Amino acid sequence: AQSVAQPEDQVNVAEGNPLTVKCTYSVSGNPYLFWYVQYPNRGLQFLLKYITGDNLVKGSYGFEAEFNKSQTSFHLKKPSALVSDSALYFCAVSRANSGNTPLVFGKGTRLSVIA
Amino acid sequence: GAVVSQHPSWVICKSGTSVKIECRSLDFQATTMFWYRQFPKQSLMLMATSNEGSKATYEQGVEKDKFLINHASLTLSTLTVTSAHPEDSSFYICSARAGGQGYSGNTIYFGEGSWLTVV
Repeated sequence: AQSVAQPEDQVNVAEGNPLTVKCTYSVSGNPYLFWYVQYPNRGLQFLLKYITGDNLVKGSYGFEAEFNKSQTSFHLKKPSALVSDSALYFCAVSRANSGNTPLVFGKGTRLSVIA
Repeated sequence: GAVVSQHPSWVICKSGTSVKIECRSLDFQATTMFWYRQFPKQSLMLMATSNEGSKATYEQGVEKDKFLINHASLTLSTLTVTSAHPEDSSFYICSARAGGQGYSGNTIYFGEGSWLTVV
């Protein structure tokens, strides 16, 4: 069975500083990995995904994530945080080539960017 | 990117009544849609997988007679909360997997969610 761990409930970072939101996963076989962002009272917005190929994936709003197979990690990063990046971030995984199976989500990490 | 529309955004209903929430994929066909429930400050809990033209697959612990799911077309799935009670108050989110021309990689797109308050 697939699982996702986001070890930090909350991440605080000063505006302009780099940010990292951690995610590790467990899945049998190759993973498909995703990051989503949720603003208050809103649905989830897709940020980026890793399916295959280059381990460094670039996504929306300047975010990127690096797939590390040996560490089973897919940490989300941004070189310079903005106050508007403050939101709830979810990492998700599904097994590659698994047909129409749903994503399994981590519990979420709340990012606060302080001006 | 692909658009998933969810309606209504919020609804208040009386205890004992039924409420229907619609989920539409606006610019792609979705043979499979997923319904999630999210409690405040918690992650998404998968309720069921909705398959076009067949019965939904419910997760363990989710009452299929209470949460009726219908996937009548390739662009529409509905969730009906029957005989709603205050404990059913929650944020319900649908999602759909985009596939076919122009979409790849199993990306799943989400609706904006629906707040249900049962009084």
